[in-house]
Amino acid sequence: DAKTTQPPSMDCAEGRAANLPCNHSTISGNEYVYWYRQIHSQGPQYIIHGLKNNETNEMASLIITEDRKSSTLILPHATLRDTAVYYCIVRVTYNQGGKLIFGQGTELSVKP
Amino acid sequence: EPEVTQTPSHQVTQMGQEVILRCVPISNHLYFYWYRQILGQKVEFLVSFYNNEISEKSEIFDDQFSVERPDGSNFTLKIRSTKLEDSAMYFCASSEARLSIEAFFGQGTRLTVV
Repeated sequence: DAKTTQPPSMDCAEGRAANLPCNHSTISGNEYVYWYRQIHSQGPQYIIHGLKNNETNEMASLIITEDRKSSTLILPHATLRDTAVYYCIVRVTYNQGGKLIFGQGTELSVKP
Repeated sequence: EPEVTQTPSHQVTQMGQEVILRCVPISNHLYFYWYRQILGQKVEFLVSFYNNEISEKSEIFDDQFSVERPDGSNFTLKIRSTKLEDSAMYFCASSEARLSIEAFFGQGTRLTVV
């Protein structure tokens, strides 16, 4: 699985958009970008994933550059409850399932 | 909303004792996982399980560890002889076989070995 690089920490004001970057310059053509988050030692929670097109769901938007070497997770209106560690993970999605390799992630602090 | 449940939420055990951590995955899921997180460190993959056998395991998952699906609902992680360094948060996860897009994690069991 491709390695990812994320900033260790970021701050965001409540109500503003949080933009979390991730570099994955060695990503392969069949590898997806996944984002998970972990709120204060709870179990990780899936947020969103994508291959090459931008994606949006009720939680967030995922912007993947055209060369797929980096991506940005956008929380459009961050709330205090979005304070968490955010993990960018790159892996192949097989039909049979697979492990997730977590890095250190980005610790996002949403401040009032 | 369906969820993965883990019991107990916190377990304290003496070094050398056996512990069994229990998980009830989401009912229609076929892939099951155990991860651990030592305090202040990253989440680490331990093992994946499908069709009643281990499909992949990490270097951490040595002979002291075993997994089992004893019935149609539970998925367990056994540590035979606990060490101090086994103290960690243990997370169970499950995913659907076909899509495998999203893994659902339980809230974890905090294991403290004294």
